[in-house]
Amino acid sequence: AQSVAQPEDQVNVAEGNPLTVKCTYSVSGNPYLFWYVQYPNRGLQFLLKYITGDNLVKGSYGFEAEFNKSQTSFHLKKPSALVSDSALYFCAVRDMNNQGGKLIFGQGTELSVKP
Amino acid sequence: EAGVAQSPRYKIIEKRQSVAFWCNPISGHATLYWYQQILGQGPKLLIQFQNNGVVDDSQLPKDRFSAERLKGVDSTLKIQPAKLEDSAVYLCASSPSGGGGDTQYFGPGTRLTVL
Repeated sequence: AQSVAQPEDQVNVAEGNPLTVKCTYSVSGNPYLFWYVQYPNRGLQFLLKYITGDNLVKGSYGFEAEFNKSQTSFHLKKPSALVSDSALYFCAVRDMNNQGGKLIFGQGTELSVKP
Repeated sequence: EAGVAQSPRYKIIEKRQSVAFWCNPISGHATLYWYQQILGQGPKLLIQFQNNGVVDDSQLPKDRFSAERLKGVDSTLKIQPAKLEDSAVYLCASSPSGGGGDTQYFGPGTRLTVL
């Protein structure tokens, strides 16, 4: 079965420091991977996706993610964290074994950036 | 470009009552999704429409949940009768075509509390 795992429930970072939010996946075939961010009382906002091509994907708000096939990982990164980056982050994989290709989400990682 | 619209934003009902949620996707998007997000978890797909046809409703509790997408545009999700465990945020999303690399864009969600 297709799945994603976000091993950290919470990540704490000081403002200005680099941040990493981890994601590993398990799929058969080539993965379609996504990162979304959720602010309180709001829906999910798309950050970036990996479909094919370069392993380093750049997205919105200065975020990027590195696809690593050998480690089956798709970690989200940002060189310098902002307090406003504090939010809930979700990694997702497209289930292409499913007729509709639904997104399967991880449990989420709460990112807290302190001044 | 207008995003995905949902209403109401919040709803509180007693168990065994019925409730309905409405979604208006991004103009021109063929695919519409309803997800359920229980507190502390990632979203889980309930139903996916391609135009006005159902593609995947394998995780929809059909004894109490129903959904329709009239004319391939707006959609409604209904719960009748509601149970306590239905308390969650209901997210609507849309995407251009439903293809593997498609990005799903989410609305703000409806937070349902069942007492």
